[in-house]
Amino acid sequence: DAGVIQSPRHEVTEMGQEVTLRCKPISGHDYLFWYRQTMMRGLELLIYFNNNVPIDDSGMPEDRFSAKMPNASFSTLKIQPSEPRDSAVYFCASRWNFGELFFGEGSRLTVL
Amino acid sequence: KNEVEQSPQNLTAQEGEFITINCSYSVGISALHWLQQHPGGGIVSLFMLSSGKKKHGRLIATINIQEKHSSLHITASHPRDSAVYICAVDTGTASKLTFGTGTRLQVTL
Repeated sequence: DAGVIQSPRHEVTEMGQEVTLRCKPISGHDYLFWYRQTMMRGLELLIYFNNNVPIDDSGMPEDRFSAKMPNASFSTLKIQPSEPRDSAVYFCASRWNFGELFFGEGSRLTVL
Repeated sequence: KNEVEQSPQNLTAQEGEFITINCSYSVGISALHWLQQHPGGGIVSLFMLSSGKKKHGRLIATINIQEKHSSLHITASHPRDSAVYICAVDTGTASKLTFGTGTRLQVTL
């Protein structure tokens, strides 16, 4: 398996624009997580899914953030409208049941 | 107080030294994870353990469930070991991890 695949790896956008981050989890994994990492706050869990169903979105900062998982092999994290304080590295990770957690390479977002 | 505490926060060592990074937690857990992140890089899972000890190459992870403590050891450290090492725990009630703040390790020649 190719591992967890995220795109884009880097995104630079202007304030107010819509940003969509994409994630393909490892095949067979039933949990998918979206994390945000900043120097100030470290790794923060934004939302996670089990069998494509959102389980806990309490970490989503505000209504500007939304996440979907339409099927077992694809998830998106959308920010609309984006703001400079959203600049961070966004990681997607997946695992099977309570097994080892596998991370993608991350999407580095810069909002100007 | 954080549920997962790591020490030290920063660590500098010379090549060849034996390194220990500690993780203490205050909640009941089903498993503990050690993760590694190189500067500007992705996050890699090194170990997942619920008891005893695991070894992979020069890396050794131990856990003491009674004392709620885990250690990550690196033998014969090398500059390529320079990274942030993150401890995370599964509390078992949900499949989301609770992370420590990480230990930044720099190994110099």
